[in-house]
Amino acid sequence: AQKVTQAQTEISVVEKEDVTLDCVYETRDTTYYLFWYKQPPSGELVFLIRRNSFDEQNEISGRYSWNFQKSTSSFNFTITASQVVDSAVYFCALSEAEIPSNTGKLIFGQGTTLQVKP
Amino acid sequence: DTEVTQTPKHLVMGMTNKKSLKCEQHMGHRAMYWYKQKAKKPPELMFVYSYEKLSINESVPSRFSPECPNSSLLNLHLHALQPEDSALYLCASSQEDSSGANVLTFGAGSRLTVL
Repeated sequence: AQKVTQAQTEISVVEKEDVTLDCVYETRDTTYYLFWYKQPPSGELVFLIRRNSFDEQNEISGRYSWNFQKSTSSFNFTITASQVVDSAVYFCALSEAEIPSNTGKLIFGQGTTLQVKP
Repeated sequence: DTEVTQTPKHLVMGMTNKKSLKCEQHMGHRAMYWYKQKAKKPPELMFVYSYEKLSINESVPSRFSPECPNSSLLNLHLHALQPEDSALYLCASSQEDSSGANVLTFGAGSRLTVL
């Protein structure tokens, strides 16, 4: 069975603090994709990053960084020097590479609400 | 154009009404999706269209009827809804990238209230 667990329901930090959002996944597939999406109060889900199961390189994009570890089935997301604009719900998601048709079906975690206070 | 546009943004309807939600994308994506999201919950997949054909129906009640008139448009027809169907309805589209992943681009959603 496929499953994504985001154990942190809500996190509150003060601006400029670093914060890590945890994501643990379960899948039997050897090929799969992991995603992080941000959902601000406006409601739109904004794509942040995609990771392939065969690429364990960590990635940094500005203040955002992602740590992918297959050994622990984790794909954690760190925001460095958080800002008020980072306040949102963050979803981790899993997509399996179905053959022959890759439908892109996403399995979402429950989401982590991040509040960054000034 | 890298957007998915959804209309209306807000919709209030009675249980006997018939209404439609509309979604449009001009990115040339071949797959389009409807998701339903209740407050403080993750999005739940309802339907997937691939090349204008329905490829996934996640056992959605027949009071929700999807339609894909062409590769850029996706509709969700609503009829005889229940108050518990009140939610944010998100449309998305996707195309496989070079790694084989489908990266979904979401619209801002249509917030539906059923009275």
